[in-house]
Amino acid sequence: DQQVKQNSPSLSVQEGRISILNCDYTNSMFDYFLWYKKYPAEGPTFLISISSIKDKNEDGRFTVFLNKSAKHLSLHIVPSQPGDSAVYFCAASASGAAGNKLTFGGGTRVLVKP
Amino acid sequence: GAGVSQSPSNKVTEKGKDVELRCDPISGHTALYWYRQSLGQGLEFLIYFQGNSAPDKSGLPSDRFSAERTGGSVSTLTIQRTQQEDSAVYLCASSLYWVLNRGQGKDNEQFFGPGTRLTVL
Repeated sequence: DQQVKQNSPSLSVQEGRISILNCDYTNSMFDYFLWYKKYPAEGPTFLISISSIKDKNEDGRFTVFLNKSAKHLSLHIVPSQPGDSAVYFCAASASGAAGNKLTFGGGTRVLVKP
Repeated sequence: GAGVSQSPSNKVTEKGKDVELRCDPISGHTALYWYRQSLGQGLEFLIYFQGNSAPDKSGLPSDRFSAERTGGSVSTLTIQRTQQEDSAVYLCASSLYWVLNRGQGKDNEQFFGPGTRLTVL
């Protein structure tokens, strides 16, 4: 049972436009959400996170939105750049002693075309 | 400074053999995690070590998998009697804190190594 799902395996966007990546979760215990970016042959790198007490967090070109009632979050990248081409993973964790482990979605491959 | 390193970067083995994968976390990081990514799948949690506490082994898929962390630093993931379904990229991560500080942004992020690609023939 996938607790974190990224239903779009790939996304193609023109340079300068907005990229919107979506993520859905089923576990209501999740209260912290993260986005990671992964280039081929490299480990994932942290992009941005959001706590369940917020509905938006912004860091430069990256903004994460959280809709708790819908159990949905999204990552907006604007403007998209060719260097943003990578696989993006949504991840979630729950508070408590086991709260450090992350549950990941399947990833969305983003291609930004010049 | 040095990031998380893993060795070997690639490992090809025959079904039934044992393998050991190594992870060197960032110096001073108290928490260490193992994940794996099978072909076309997301990252799957395997095990994590938090300070001096007993590890959380809840993600290990079978008793053929084990891990240890010596001296609170280097960790080894061992897979005994490998099977073809064990083929995956095994990723190690470490973090400074072992209690996730909510809302602290990058202070609690997990830093990942480049992974070990395991192929079981």
